Amino acid sequence: EADIYQTPRYLVIGTGKKITLECSQTMGHDKMYWYQQDPGMELHLIHYSYGVNSTEKGDLSSESTVSRIRTEHFPLTLESARPSHTSQYLCASGQVYEQYFGPGTRLTVT
Amino acid sequence: GQQLNQSPQSMFIQEGEDVSMNCTSSSIFNTWLWYKQDPGEGPVLLIALYKAGELTSNGRLTAQFGITRKDSFLNISASIPSDVGIYFCAGWRGSNYKLTFGKGTLLTVNP
Repeated sequence: EADIYQTPRYLVIGTGKKITLECSQTMGHDKMYWYQQDPGMELHLIHYSYGVNSTEKGDLSSESTVSRIRTEHFPLTLESARPSHTSQYLCASGQVYEQYFGPGTRLTVT
Repeated sequence: GQQLNQSPQSMFIQEGEDVSMNCTSSSIFNTWLWYKQDPGEGPVLLIALYKAGELTSNGRLTAQFGITRKDSFLNISASIPSDVGIYFCAGWRGSNYKLTFGKGTLLTVNP
């Protein structure tokens, strides 16, 4: 099982602020993913990476951006937070098809 | 894109009852996965299925990979209060490294 970490767990921030959500994994997985999950439960893929210097947009359009400079690190950045960005953000990693999730970051933009 | 139809959307059961939920698709999948998400946490992988017809157990949980490769089932026997949470199915088609997720089944267990 993967060890995957997300910080912060909870974040309340004002409109217009720049934020970075951190995600790190210690299993050496090549593939990493960001999902957005609203209270309606459904998971929406917003970004993914298949390795260092590789990033792709997911199935749900997002104003966030990601980077993958190191294998173990996959941060997500919002340049200017808005109330519509309020959601749960989940990071995951894996080697082939199994994905292992972090505990998530609950973001609230006021 | 591919869609997974997961049902039921929610279930309210009494402690001790058995639970059954399923996922169906019009597309063939090579791997089926079942996850459980506790409130405020990320989903945890419960069971992975790799072959059509495969039946796999993990404690009180049993999952099956449908023969047609278009569906999967999860059963929970003798439910307990800690079974409460959202259960997700996910399928992998093999063409890329992305998973297709069902919309989840919210399980409530009354003590």
